[in-house]
Amino acid sequence: SAVISQKPSRDICQRGTSLTIQCQVDSQVTMMFWYRQQPGQSLTLIATANQGSEATYESGFVIDKFPISRPNLTFSTLTVSNMSPEDSSIYLCSVAGGEVEAFFGQGTRLTVV
Amino acid sequence: GQQVMQIPQYQHVQEGEDFTTYCNSSTTLSNIQWYKQRPGGHPVFLIQLVKSGEVKKQKRLTFQFGEAKKNSSLHITATQTTDVGTYFCAGRSSNTGKLIFGQGTTLQVKP
Repeated sequence: SAVISQKPSRDICQRGTSLTIQCQVDSQVTMMFWYRQQPGQSLTLIATANQGSEATYESGFVIDKFPISRPNLTFSTLTVSNMSPEDSSIYLCSVAGGEVEAFFGQGTRLTVV
Repeated sequence: GQQVMQIPQYQHVQEGEDFTTYCNSSTTLSNIQWYKQRPGGHPVFLIQLVKSGEVKKQKRLTFQFGEAKKNSSLHITATQTTDVGTYFCAGRSSNTGKLIFGQGTTLQVKP
């Protein structure tokens, strides 16, 4: 199973600022994903991070708001831009173990004030 | 779009009672996965079901995948306080390959 390190684990940010979340995997993986989990809610896929090309965003999520980088097969970043209180959520990166399970990082708990 | 519905949203049981959560998809799934998220934690993979009608057991947990590969259930026998958490099903779409998460069932166990 993959070991995923995600940081920061939590942050409190001022509205209008941006936060970049890092996700480091201990092995090369093809598929990396970013999810959002709003308080008390389920997980919603933001985008698939593609190595060497632009991320693939799900409906309702745009690159200007959530720019993603994937410079290699073990690392990705998600930036939450121009934050508002509505962006307060847990942000999780995950990787796919082939077509099997998804391994999740420990998440970043973001509070926007 | 494809949806995965999960019920109930919350369940409170007395320790020792059984618990079941149900998951239904609007479309056929290539597989279904179950995760457990403890309060303050991240989702942890429990199991994957692939075959129509498949049943798998993990100690007190029994997982089933429906014959039509559109529904699934998780049953816990004789709950313990360590079972507390939110259980998510996640269906992998046959069309897109993406994981679609259910809303989760939050289990509370009273000692």
